Amino acid sequence: SQQGEEDPQALSIQEGENATMNCSYKTSINNLQWYRQNSGRGLVHLILIRSNEREKHSGRLRVTLDTSKKSSSLLITASRAADTASYFCATDNQAGTALIFGKGTTLSVSS
Amino acid sequence: DTAVSQTPKYLVTQMGNDKSIKCEQNLGHDTMYWYKQDSKKFLKIMFSYNNKELIINETVPNRFSPKSPDKAHLNLHINSLELGDSAVYFCASSQETRRREQYFGPGTRLTVT
Repeated sequence: SQQGEEDPQALSIQEGENATMNCSYKTSINNLQWYRQNSGRGLVHLILIRSNEREKHSGRLRVTLDTSKKSSSLLITASRAADTASYFCATDNQAGTALIFGKGTTLSVSS
Repeated sequence: DTAVSQTPKYLVTQMGNDKSIKCEQNLGHDTMYWYKQDSKKFLKIMFSYNNKELIINETVPNRFSPKSPDKAHLNLHINSLELGDSAVYFCASSQETRRREQYFGPGTRLTVT
């Protein structure tokens, strides 16, 4: 069954604004990952946060993890048109042998 | 230098046909995967291969079979194609299976008519 659920399903913002998307999951995890998918392309790994970490940064990306609430958020600061894409959170399946993806958040950044 | 490549990019075929999708990675990874993405963008794992061994196989019809001639390749064979097989299929690879990021190919859009 699906592990992650992103929220919102769709988000439209202007260039320069910040974009926040959330992910909730059901079972305990070892880590949580975020991926980006541009239209018609494969997924690109953005960031991995381990269960013992609360916050992680990578460039304009900031990811938080709250294991007590089983949730994570991805913040993209100073959004650009090139950030337009779908964003997915992913967690390991129970055996740790594959990723389970959420349904994704579609982000549109207009100039 | 493409890390994970798939061929073909587009595949249009009729119901009942048999088709294959090829995947190659040049990252030296030891685990490869096949995912299916439906029209609502939902991604689901189909198979993964580690050192030529199938280590997971989700509830996928046995019409689908992965074939790994070597560590750098994982091909997907589909027999007796059905309309519901229409989707985008992604190959991915990672170094080890647990707790590691995966690298995805560009996808193969399969349309069954």
